[in-house]
Amino acid sequence: DQQVKQNSPSLSVQEGRISILNCDYTNSMFDYFLWYKKYPAEGPTFLISISSIKDKNEDGRFTVFLNKSAKHLSLHIVPSQPGDSAVYFCAASALRGAQKLVFGQGTRLTINP
Amino acid sequence: ETGVTQSPTHLIKTRGQQVTLRCSSQSGHNTVSWYQQALGQGPQFIFQYYREEENGRGNFPPRFSGLQFPNYSSELNVNALELDDSALYLCASSSWTGGNEQFFGPGTRLTVL
Repeated sequence: DQQVKQNSPSLSVQEGRISILNCDYTNSMFDYFLWYKKYPAEGPTFLISISSIKDKNEDGRFTVFLNKSAKHLSLHIVPSQPGDSAVYFCAASALRGAQKLVFGQGTRLTINP
Repeated sequence: ETGVTQSPTHLIKTRGQQVTLRCSSQSGHNTVSWYQQALGQGPQFIFQYYREEENGRGNFPPRFSGLQFPNYSSELNVNALELDDSALYLCASSSWTGGNEQFFGPGTRLTVL
């Protein structure tokens, strides 16, 4: 039962353009969502998060949008840079109880010069 | 501020053996979570420790066990290793009083032959 899904295994974007990574979830108990970025041979690095009381959160070039009715969130990266090439994971959790993160399968983003 | 560290980096074991993986949490964090990441998948929650007690467990058998020490460092023990236990094992630390952001170490790559 995949509660968090990233349906695009890979995405290729030209440098300077917008990258949009998508994530869907099924569990309505989730109320906190996070994006992580992972380079090979490193652990995931926290990028940005959003709680279910918001529909948008921005941090520099990164913006996360949350559509609770559609159970969908997206990460926008503007402008995309070569260093953004990595695997991006969407994760969800419930704020109450154990801080268990449920991850999607990841999307490999490649930024082309 | 010291980040999350894990040891060893790589480990090769044979089926049936036992293994212990170690993690030092980020300074100021009192909660440690362990995840298993199989190739091409997102990390899967194994369990979490807070105040030296297990505080939530994922869908893993009892041969996966852990400890948290008074200095908040942690161990993951796996008994009776199986071939399917080959994976990247990630440790993440967080502050119980904070949000659900977890900060990951670089991981231990376990290969079971």
